[in-house]
Amino acid sequence: NAGVMQNPRHLVRRRGQEARLRCSPMKGHSHVYWYRQLPEEGLKFMVYLQKENIIDESGMPKERFSAEFPKEGPSILRIQQVVRGDSAAYFCASSPREQGASLNIQYFGAGTRLSVL
Amino acid sequence: EDQVTQSPEALRLQEGESSSLNCSYTVSGLRGLFWYRQDPGKGPEFLFTLYSAGEEKEKERLKATLTKKESFLHITAPKPEDSATYLCAVQARGGSEKLVFGKGTKLTVNP
Repeated sequence: NAGVMQNPRHLVRRRGQEARLRCSPMKGHSHVYWYRQLPEEGLKFMVYLQKENIIDESGMPKERFSAEFPKEGPSILRIQQVVRGDSAAYFCASSPREQGASLNIQYFGAGTRLSVL
Repeated sequence: EDQVTQSPEALRLQEGESSSLNCSYTVSGLRGLFWYRQDPGKGPEFLFTLYSAGEEKEKERLKATLTKKESFLHITAPKPEDSATYLCAVQARGGSEKLVFGKGTKLTVNP
């Protein structure tokens, strides 16, 4: 049973370019979460999605960032016109959201390390 | 605002030297507290989840405990392979399922 798959593992972009980060959840998981880890900082929540729906985007910067989780295919975190401050590790997690479960564990991928030159 | 503080930031132990990591939290109604382990260049790996004060969970050399204000991760007779950053996170009742993380404790176990 494959875990959460993120690609690419490393991404280098120049200022002003677009970055697209992909996340395929674990098999059977329909809920996806994106977190960002800045150097010397803890993981910060960005967005929570179900298939075709954004449930909570309270942690997303207001501009340049967007996320989607289409009916088919992986979840995508898109950063337009990247700036140096966007350099960070971006982690995706998924959970099964089992009915009746009091708590759903989030399982994390290995992350995408974005470097903006 | 929900908040998690972990201490110490870094901890060096000799192999076999037991110790504890602390996670203090403030949350508007705790739904669950999570412990993860993170190795360099990798994503967090789930260890434990605790739901209510007084609860304890064990896995090999690790034991997690929970009170109304904090959680401890006890490491008994650690080995070098236990070296990692240990992350604590809370999830609040109601609304989103987002996790609020502390900055972690970096544990180094010397042989």
